[in-house]
Amino acid sequence: DIYMTQSPSSLSASVGDRVTITCRASQTISSYLNWYQQRPGKAPNLLIYAASSLQSGVPSRFSGSGSGTDFTLTISSLQPEDFATYSCQQSYTTPYTFGQGTKLEIK
Amino acid sequence: QLQETGPGLVKPSGTLSLTCAVSGDSISTTNWWSWVRQPPGKGLEWIAEIYHSGNINYNPSLKSRVTISVDESTNQLSLQLTSVTAADTAVYYCARSAAVGFDSWGQGTLVTVSS
Repeated sequence: DIYMTQSPSSLSASVGDRVTITCRASQTISSYLNWYQQRPGKAPNLLIYAASSLQSGVPSRFSGSGSGTDFTLTISSLQPEDFATYSCQQSYTTPYTFGQGTKLEIK
Repeated sequence: QLQETGPGLVKPSGTLSLTCAVSGDSISTTNWWSWVRQPPGKGLEWIAEIYHSGNINYNPSLKSRVTISVDESTNQLSLQLTSVTAADTAVYYCARSAAVGFDSWGQGTLVTVSS
């Protein structure tokens, strides 16, 4: 299996801050990396696919970058609705695997 | 839209059975359909995916206990997980899967394994 490691596990930030979350794969996955946002009690929502492509309907303050084994999700200016848990997922090969999640909390 | 249904409580050693109704899309299109679960307070775990032709990919950690199927006549996806234990307690999601991620999800259904 490909192991996905996210850092940090949790993060406190304020509205308007720029935040970056990192995801590392245990082996190269090219650009087959996706990011999800999950609010409490809700299903995950796809934000970024193929490492850097913005899913339709997702605000442009979200961006992704990276390839190979190292990837980042950046939120350029945090909004109140962005406080949630973010997870990365590799779709390079089955079994598809997810990172453990990064909980973004209000400072 | 995807909507999961099934019993919220299953006894240990029993079989978990869930159905996912797909609306607004045909399960017979060029998509794979997956089950993903999330234990309380933990991360997401992919279980298996199926193509309408019957091709299936499994998570090896669950393969021996999983049956996944589609019913094109009712546009539904199904999951069976046998010999369940407390470790199988989780929110179970169905999702449309592609090489570019899971782009559509059900709302999820909590299944608790307890006597």
